Amino acid sequence: QVTLKESGPVLVKPTETLTLTCTVSGFSLSNARMGVSWIRQPPGKALEWLAHIFWNDEKSYSTSLKSRLTISKDTSKSQVVLTMTNMDPVDTATYYCARIASRFIAGRQAYYFDYWGQGTLVTVSS
Amino acid sequence: SSELTQDPAVSVALGQTVRITCQGDSLRSYYASWYQQKPGQAPILVIYGKNNRPSGIPDRFSGSSSGNTASLTITGAQAEDEADYYCNSRDSSGNHLEFGGGTKLTVL
Repeated sequence: QVTLKESGPVLVKPTETLTLTCTVSGFSLSNARMGVSWIRQPPGKALEWLAHIFWNDEKSYSTSLKSRLTISKDTSKSQVVLTMTNMDPVDTATYYCARIASRFIAGRQAYYFDYWGQGTLVTVSS
Repeated sequence: SSELTQDPAVSVALGQTVRITCQGDSLRSYYASWYQQKPGQAPILVIYGKNNRPSGIPDRFSGSSSGNTASLTITGAQAEDEADYYCNSRDSSGNHLEFGGGTKLTVL
């Protein structure tokens, strides 16, 4: 049974650094063609992909947030950590981690988030 | 702003068929995946790849793609299908992922 669970502060102050941890079970962070993504959703707004890290340590970041994000994994602890610096009230959102799978299907690349955590609401306020 | 474009809202009569579309240049090279999100809940995957449904997703959900447009079709929409639907794929650079702006589906 695959599960993901986000943990971290519920309230951060402007300019502080946010550190979120995703603890996974039911699969290994070293499984080929799998990884973990972070995705956020401001209240009442759309989903926004932030970053991912794959089994081979390949990392990718949202272009608009790249300078503020760092993603890393600890395979032995089954954890993926996302840090976001210089938090602002516009960063108030529910932050999700999700397992991402990568497959070639009929000659084309497919990426999909097949399991999601429940999400954690982070509020940025002084 | 997203390079994947979705209609903000679509409605369908109960039991009828509805198509939700996602447009973007990257869809010529990469498959879209589709997610259903109900209020207060995490999204769930409903379609990925060419037309693949995860276990537990009803077969009234199907996916297709043509050119720069990916589509999610619900054949015989049910009241419980009322939700927000998001597409996701690689962006045009191929280096990043992104979501469409979402489509709110109302079942009348």
